[in-house]
Amino acid sequence: GEDVEQSLFLSVREGDSSVINCTYTDSSSTYLYWYKQEPGAGLQLLTYIFSNMDMKQDQRLTVLLNKKDKHLSLRIADTQTGDSAIYFCAESGNTDKLIFGTGTRLQVFP
Amino acid sequence: NAGVTQTPKFQVLKTGQSMTLQCAQDMNHEYMSWYRQDPGMGLRLIHYSVGAGITDQGEVPNGYNVSRSTTEDFPLRLLSAAPSQTSVYFCASSPGLGTDTQYFGPGTRLTVL
Repeated sequence: GEDVEQSLFLSVREGDSSVINCTYTDSSSTYLYWYKQEPGAGLQLLTYIFSNMDMKQDQRLTVLLNKKDKHLSLRIADTQTGDSAIYFCAESGNTDKLIFGTGTRLQVFP
Repeated sequence: NAGVTQTPKFQVLKTGQSMTLQCAQDMNHEYMSWYRQDPGMGLRLIHYSVGAGITDQGEVPNGYNVSRSTTEDFPLRLLSAAPSQTSVYFCASSPGLGTDTQYFGPGTRLTVL
């Protein structure tokens, strides 16, 4: 079945860039998403990328997609303490289901 | 709009008890889904619905039932609670998939003793 994998933790210094990586197995993925979950809250969509795109930039966020390697990354420029959260990668293929990764906990320290 | 609401926020059950987790949305979304979130396992899809009267199983449907009699409501029933169902449950809705954002509820934290 489809699988989406992420590393569990990332720790960065405030002001540095953060790069969160994700790999997936479903070659029919149509859209790939990044969600953010703050403590005690539900998930919020940060950004998404269509599978025929290589890159998408949205203010401090840059999404890179390597479809050949089935690798997705989220880069956060100038990381702030407010960016501390769990980040989930997700993909949807030709079904109505959204498959989430395990989530990466980003900790930003001063 | 209230968005996606879930009740209760917290619940403690004994093994074997049954209960219903409520989810409602006021955005006229066709697509609704239930996830459970467990440490180190991300979100796993339990059941989903693409419209009133239509439901389907997700990745981990065993021990749960759903129904979708209206567009607004999508309750999740635990038939006979087990400790393995201790988790945080999230309901989500969206107009569809693709570029449509999924809106998540605040979650229900369930503990089964």
